[in-house]
Amino acid sequence: ETGVTQSPTHLIKTRGQQVTLRCSSQSGHNTVSWYQQALGQGPQFIFQYYREEENGRGNFPPRFSGLQFPNYSSELNVNALELDDSALYLCASSNRLAGVLYEQFFGPGTRLTVL
Amino acid sequence: GQNIDQPTEMTATEGAIVQINCTYQTSGFNGLFWYQQHAGEAPTFLSYNVLDGLEEKGRFSSFLSRSKGYSYLLLKELQMKDSASYLCAVQAGGYQKVTFGTGTKLQVIP
Repeated sequence: ETGVTQSPTHLIKTRGQQVTLRCSSQSGHNTVSWYQQALGQGPQFIFQYYREEENGRGNFPPRFSGLQFPNYSSELNVNALELDDSALYLCASSNRLAGVLYEQFFGPGTRLTVL
Repeated sequence: GQNIDQPTEMTATEGAIVQINCTYQTSGFNGLFWYQQHAGEAPTFLSYNVLDGLEEKGRFSSFLSRSKGYSYLLLKELQMKDSASYLCAVQAGGYQKVTFGTGTKLQVIP
């Protein structure tokens, strides 16, 4: 077990709704990355948070947003949900020291279904 | 951008050795990860290569050649529980974004 936790485990929403997913990083880690994984695909990078600021973003629209808190936990918010947002959302925790990002460990994920 | 290629599927026999290859094209390379992912579960960290060469960790070994943009994961003494997807991921760029390949689905047969 990595020590990275995510909530909720599963979630069902309808199109147009908003959702907030949560992640607690592993103790000692200061960086959180969020990924979306569709069935049969590799995880796709959404964004990364370091020291409470967004520190890089993948090809996702602005309705995907996030936060990182002083304790390094993080939230992913998705507005105006679309059917294609149905996926496994993964949070990965890692440590950045002197500009170098070390191994990242994943939480168990949140399975989001949009109807 | 980054381009990562790995075979879609592989089949190997219990007790055998299998090598899963990964090739990549990127700028600002920092390191390469291998993850194991069982169906319906999150990826589990296997290895992280920064320098060229082979790193061995029990039954699993990972090799990296930065000049060739090439890595492989070697699994020895295959067990049925090794049936899973194996994801190659490259860490690169200023904020060290990690980009994943689509994964190699390995089936271990008796």
